[in-house]
Amino acid sequence: AQSVAQPEDQVNVAEGNPLTVKCTYSVSGNPYLFWYVQYPNRGLQFLLKYITGDNLVKGSYGFEAEFNKSQTSFHLKKPSALVSDSALYFCAVRRGGATNKLIFGTGTLLAVQP
Amino acid sequence: DTGVSQNPRHKITKRGQNVTFRCDPISEHNRLYWYRQTLGQGPEFLTYFQNEAQLEKSRLLSDRFSAERPKGSFSTLEIQRTEQGDSAMYLCASSRTQENTEAFFGQGTRLTVV
Repeated sequence: AQSVAQPEDQVNVAEGNPLTVKCTYSVSGNPYLFWYVQYPNRGLQFLLKYITGDNLVKGSYGFEAEFNKSQTSFHLKKPSALVSDSALYFCAVRRGGATNKLIFGTGTLLAVQP
Repeated sequence: DTGVSQNPRHKITKRGQNVTFRCDPISEHNRLYWYRQTLGQGPEFLTYFQNEAQLEKSRLLSDRFSAERPKGSFSTLEIQRTEQGDSAMYLCASSRTQENTEAFFGQGTRLTVV
């Protein structure tokens, strides 16, 4: 069965500092991994994805994520946080070639203090 | 605006009533998905269409729930005999046919059953 774990309910970081939002996954076969962001009263916005190729993927708004197969992780990172990055972040996984449904984690609330 | 559109944005209904939600996907997207999100949780997959064919349904989708996409364009999700436990945000997403593409989400319909 596929699953995603986001171990931190909330991450607090000061503006200008680097941020990391953690995600680990469990899936049989090749994983397709995604990060989405949700602002209040807004839908989910796509940030970035890993399908194949380079383990470091770059996405919108300066975010990047690193795929680590041995640790089954796909942590979201940004070198310098902005107050406007404060939002709810979801990691999701899909099993390549077998299904189209996304399995989401429970989300991590990122709070960036000025 | 060429994003995924959902109507209504909010719906309050009495227990036992039927409700119907509509989703208009991005026009060139063949795939359409419905998810449900409750407070503090990530979205949970409900069902998926490719064109007009409903190809996958979650066990979460009880017999009170039905989804259609009659002409392969917009989709409707109907809940019959609503229960308080149906209160949630219902999210629609669409994507291209290619397997490695991401899904784009609408802003959701928030259902409150009183």
